[in-house]
Amino acid sequence: DTAVSQTPKYLVTQMGNDKSIKCEQNLGHDTMYWYKQDSKKFLKIMFSYNNKELIINETVPNRFSPKSPDKAHLNLHINSLELGDSAVYFCASSQGPGSHHPQHFGDGTRLSIL
Amino acid sequence: QQQVKQSPQSLIVQKGGISIINCAYENTAFDYFPWYQQFPGKGPALLIAIRPDVSEKKEGRFTISFNKSAKQFSLHIMDSQPGDSATYFCAASDDYKLSFGAGTTVTVRA
Repeated sequence: DTAVSQTPKYLVTQMGNDKSIKCEQNLGHDTMYWYKQDSKKFLKIMFSYNNKELIINETVPNRFSPKSPDKAHLNLHINSLELGDSAVYFCASSQGPGSHHPQHFGDGTRLSIL
Repeated sequence: QQQVKQSPQSLIVQKGGISIINCAYENTAFDYFPWYQQFPGKGPALLIAIRPDVSEKKEGRFTISFNKSAKQFSLHIMDSQPGDSATYFCAASDDYKLSFGAGTTVTVRA
């Protein structure tokens, strides 16, 4: 049973479109994250949520909007997609309200902008 | 600006050899230093972690060495196996967030 699951695994779309990535964790963790991994494999935090409350918003364009309907879900909606948004997006989770380091990552969503 | 500097970018080691990856940081507020292992097409997986009050931590074939005064830490993979071929990331956390190094691709030749 997958601990952190993301859908879709691959997303290919045109510039200017709007798309969403869904994430669910079944670990009962309090904190969830979105990370972006670029083509050079560099990992950078985008957002973190603790029990549905936004904790970190790391200078991400406001075209990116995270939504946490409950503690187990953190979705990412992206408006007006740009070429530079092409990357792999990882959802992650960790236990404890004061946690800042992800313990479990999903397998990623590879976003390709044409 | 990268807060954690990682080297080398890649390394090749023979089966049974030792892989060594080094990381350095400047921010003295960092208080947690994890390592992650990532296989192609998968998310990073937490491998081992250390806090600055400990100079060494060992889990199986993986050892973290930590030098607080030099602000450096390293991962040693003993008896490297082909299944250890992956990208390894060091990271450092303060009260706010986790910052990653740039990653090291390790290839273990049989």
